[in-house]
Amino acid sequence: EVQLVESGGGLVKPGGSLRLSCAASGFTFSSYSMNWVRQAPGKGLEWVSSISSSSSYIYYADSVKGRFTISRDNAKNSLYLQMNSLRAEDTAVYYCARGRQQLVHYYMDVWGKGTTVTVSS
Amino acid sequence: DIQMTQSPSSLSASVGDRVTITCRASQSISSYLNWYQQKPGKAPKLLIYAASSLQSGVPSRFSGSGSGTDFTLTISSLQPEDFATYYCQQSYSTRFTFGPGTKVDIK
Repeated sequence: EVQLVESGGGLVKPGGSLRLSCAASGFTFSSYSMNWVRQAPGKGLEWVSSISSSSSYIYYADSVKGRFTISRDNAKNSLYLQMNSLRAEDTAVYYCARGRQQLVHYYMDVWGKGTTVTVSS
Repeated sequence: DIQMTQSPSSLSASVGDRVTITCRASQSISSYLNWYQQKPGKAPKLLIYAASSLQSGVPSRFSGSGSGTDFTLTISSLQPEDFATYYCQQSYSTRFTFGPGTKVDIK
């Protein structure tokens, strides 16, 4: 079964750091790009970051650029998001999602259940 | 960044109704448009990719159309399990953006 399982969320004070992980199983992780998408309480979806299969290409939303770092370990079938200088507005459920490329089209076809990050003093 | 808008922001409908949701991009995105469904407390689920291609396993009552800046998601006959929030998302730019969502609830 294709599966993504996020972990690492929790309560952190403003200015603090947190590292999220996403464990992949049931597919060849090293063949797919991966994404982080977040959802603040009661709000819509916000794309956070993407990383290509070999980590050659990395992209960030302006809201997290310079504070968050996406990475992956293909040997461990794992995706990571290092979050530094956290702010209250980073409070959200963080989802990892598999990226799928079909011809020129790209979409996120498999999602984890999410991990909750709360930034509060 | 490419901005995405959706209308309406919410709608009330009955089982069996035909429902149409509109998504508009701030610039032309060709057919680089995906649709997701999200139920409360659950992860999003891919419905439609490349504007009109149905994801495997998604019921055929869901369909998508459009290109350029204007897109629609249509549910031909609303079923009880379709009450959810629907998001469009552009993949024209590598800095992906989602629409604000359309909540479909029971009339």
